[in-house]
Amino acid sequence: NAGVTQTPKFRILKIGQSMTLQCAQDMNHNYMYWYRQDPGMGLKLIYYSVGAGITDKGEVPNGYNVSRSTTEDFPLRLELAAPSQTSVYFCASRLEETEAFFGQGTRLTVV
Amino acid sequence: DQQVKQNSPSLSVQEGRISILNCDYTNSMFDYFLWYKKYPAEGPTFLISISSIKDKNEDGRFTVFLNKSAKHLSLHIVPSQPGDSAVYFCAADTNAGKSTFGDGTTLTVKP
Repeated sequence: NAGVTQTPKFRILKIGQSMTLQCAQDMNHNYMYWYRQDPGMGLKLIYYSVGAGITDKGEVPNGYNVSRSTTEDFPLRLELAAPSQTSVYFCASRLEETEAFFGQGTRLTVV
Repeated sequence: DQQVKQNSPSLSVQEGRISILNCDYTNSMFDYFLWYKKYPAEGPTFLISISSIKDKNEDGRFTVFLNKSAKHLSLHIVPSQPGDSAVYFCAADTNAGKSTFGDGTTLTVKP
């Protein structure tokens, strides 16, 4: 049982490049989330999804896009990377009104 | 406007004593509250939760108290152990499935 799997674990991007952070869960959870954590700060919600085909913005969506074509996968797309997007990104999934399960995180540096 | 606040960035306690971590919220639409624990270089893991219809939930050494009138919740750890040293995040949910996190409190338990 893999839980929530995020890839890659680390990545260095140049300013203006694009990339997709992958997230997959095998628990048949309908809710999925993307958070970013900046040093010394809490988790800020980027986007979330309550089911396949449904996504919504969180607190800090600018510069990101998501899609949810299947229950299992919730990729996060960064277009035109900027230094302000240097952060640790966490994907999570859950059932309604239960605890969330988090991936191990992706440490992204934009230079 | 930060809807979930953990006003103490850090807390240090002696092994065997009680640790009390606090969290305040402003949104009266929050109906489910959770505490997560995070070790360095790992994703957060669930610790304990409480529904807005309750005022206390206990699980072993961990107890969460909810005071709705004060919009305040607290996590009590008794007795504290060195392995409890981690960052603790308070999170609050709306019934739309959106989770909001505090900035975290770093707990250090000294042997």
